[in-house]
Amino acid sequence: NFMLTQPHSVSESPGKTVTISCTRSSGSIASNYVQWYQQRPGSSPTTVIYEDDQRPSGVPDRFSGSIDSSSNSASLTISGLKTEDEADYYCQSYDGRNHMFGGGTKLTVL
Amino acid sequence: EVQLVESGGGLVQPGRSLRLSCAASGFTFDDYGLHWVRQAPGKGLEWVSGISWNGGSTGYADSVKGRFTISRDKAKNSLYLEMNSLRPEDTALYFCAKGWGGGYDSSFDYWGQGTLVTVSS
Repeated sequence: NFMLTQPHSVSESPGKTVTISCTRSSGSIASNYVQWYQQRPGSSPTTVIYEDDQRPSGVPDRFSGSIDSSSNSASLTISGLKTEDEADYYCQSYDGRNHMFGGGTKLTVL
Repeated sequence: EVQLVESGGGLVQPGRSLRLSCAASGFTFDDYGLHWVRQAPGKGLEWVSGISWNGGSTGYADSVKGRFTISRDKAKNSLYLEMNSLRPEDTALYFCAKGWGGGYDSSFDYWGQGTLVTVSS
């Protein structure tokens, strides 16, 4: 098994751009696809990025995903921040046996 | 529209059993893997179990292996989670989630609203 490590929290102002990282502890980040989920307070998660950098229909193009083999990490970037983007964000990947989640990052838009 | 509606949660004593159900609609049930993911109060997401499109493959988190059993019924378009020997640390909101593909190795595209399980004496 590997672990996925995310920053506990990030904050940024409306209209700005924020990037949330997700670092894999062992094995290559490129070995298994990374997904990102948004969970607003009191709601169930929704998918914002799948297969590293793909956006489901209905997700605005302000959301983008990428992976970086040099840092063995994945990133979720949200541009043109809106107050409605304030939520918890989780990265997730499959290790061949289990689905692993990062600990989640609380995004505050202030 | 994809809909996943969980039920069966409640308050249960340690060591007892509970069966969760998830009624699915809005997609071809037989084509997709399904999962249970839980979230303890104030905590992050934890994958619990997954099952392939035909029920032929299943997977479990180490924390529930040997105690929980996942199954599906195509006649009822439903997913189940039989939970035995429940522990206080199983207390969580349990989400049903649909996979992108047919195996349980595929990640999650749609989620239900969850059903709350509380294990306490």
